[in-house]
Formats: sequence, C-alpha cells, structure tokens
Amino acid sequence: ETGVTQTPRHLVMGMTNKKSLKCEQHLGHNAMYWYKQSAKKPLELMFVYSLEERVENNSVPSRFSPECPNSSHLFLHLHTLQPEDSALYLCASSQEVSENSPLHFGNGTRLTVT
Amino acid sequence: AQSVTQLGSHVSVSEGALVLLRCNYSSSVPPYLFWYVQYPNQGLQLLLKYTTGATLVKGINGFEAEFKKSETSFHLTKPSAHMSDAAEYFCAVSPSNDYKLSFGAGTTVTVRA
Repeated sequence: ETGVTQTPRHLVMGMTNKKSLKCEQHLGHNAMYWYKQSAKKPLELMFVYSLEERVENNSVPSRFSPECPNSSHLFLHLHTLQPEDSALYLCASSQEVSENSPLHFGNGTRLTVT
Repeated sequence: AQSVTQLGSHVSVSEGALVLLRCNYSSSVPPYLFWYVQYPNQGLQLLLKYTTGATLVKGINGFEAEFKKSETSFHLTKPSAHMSDAAEYFCAVSPSNDYKLSFGAGTTVTVRA
C-alpha cells in the first residue's frame, strides 16, 4: 500500500461508547496530524506529532486522546463524545513539521455520534 | 496570525469554460500559500504551492495560481474545465516561520456538460 490509509471509513457510535480511529502512512514521513472537517467550516487542526512526540494540541477536549506509537502509525481514541463531534476526521503526514512540507491526507473517517 | 477567505462557497462552470476560484489571505509575515483539492469521499490532495520565487505557480491537472502580494490574493485558475474537475477546493496559508496551516472554508465546483 502507498500513501496514507485510514480505518474505518465510517463509524457510528453512541455517546457512551469508546472507539479508536487508525491511521497508517507508508511515505516514510516524520510528522503526522489529525484534522477535523465539519461541513462548510475550515479544517481544524487537532494534534501534531513529530517523530512520535506530540508538538501540538490545539485546545482539543480530553474526550479525544491521540496516540503515536511510531512514526508510521497514529491513533485517535474516542470516548463519551457529543453529537457535535460528528464530522470527517482526516489524518495527514508530511516529511517534517515545517511550513515548506506539504501535507498528504488520508481519505478520512466519517464519524457519526448518536 | 493568518486567515484565509475564499469568495464563493459554490462555483458552477460549463465544460470547457474558465475556472476561477478566488482566495485572499492575511498574514503578518511573508506567507506560504497552497491550494488543495478534495474529490468526493476522499482526503485532500495538493494541487500547487507558492513559497518563494516566481509568482505564477503551475500545478497538477492544468491548474495554476498567481501570488499577488499587493492584493493579498492567490487565485486559482484553469483555462478549460473538465468534468473531472468537479470537487471541493481549499486555499491554505502558513506563515513562512510557522508550520501551522490555516484553511479557507472551501469552494465547491460543479461542471455542467
């Protein structure tokens, strides 16, 4: 496989559930990101990891918990979510955390919280 | 701080017609500018970027954009639209001294046969 792969593609969960989103990149990149995409709103940066170290937590509620066990894998653990958390969650990677390193995105996980 | 404004949330063009998507930005330092495209049920894909040098930037699929500092704009164009250009397009800016991208709200392009 090449590029950035996200699983699952779709997820429906209740507010009391615990679930995890998975992202894997096959590009040899050192940086990984989680973004939230809501309808008609700009993409919101959630978390940034560089070489498995978290370098950014953009004021994200604690019900979202990221994990980066190595530079190729990134998880987003979800628990006690709210309906307004329903959105498309995009994972991205880049060569490094740099203004000159373009992002490569996965196809996203469409999350619905009921 | 930087911000991005994309004028028009939806643009409809005829096949073969010019595609023009407008993007204006604000940035306190020289910006790096990007256009991304998102096809249905997919993630974002880089179309082109401006960092330094030539202000007219050519990207994939026949798109190009021009950086105009005096107008704080980075409009995206394609001379002749194709049905496969139907997608959502995002303009993004990062300051030249920071990696954080700010995205616009996106412009959806539909192409009429």
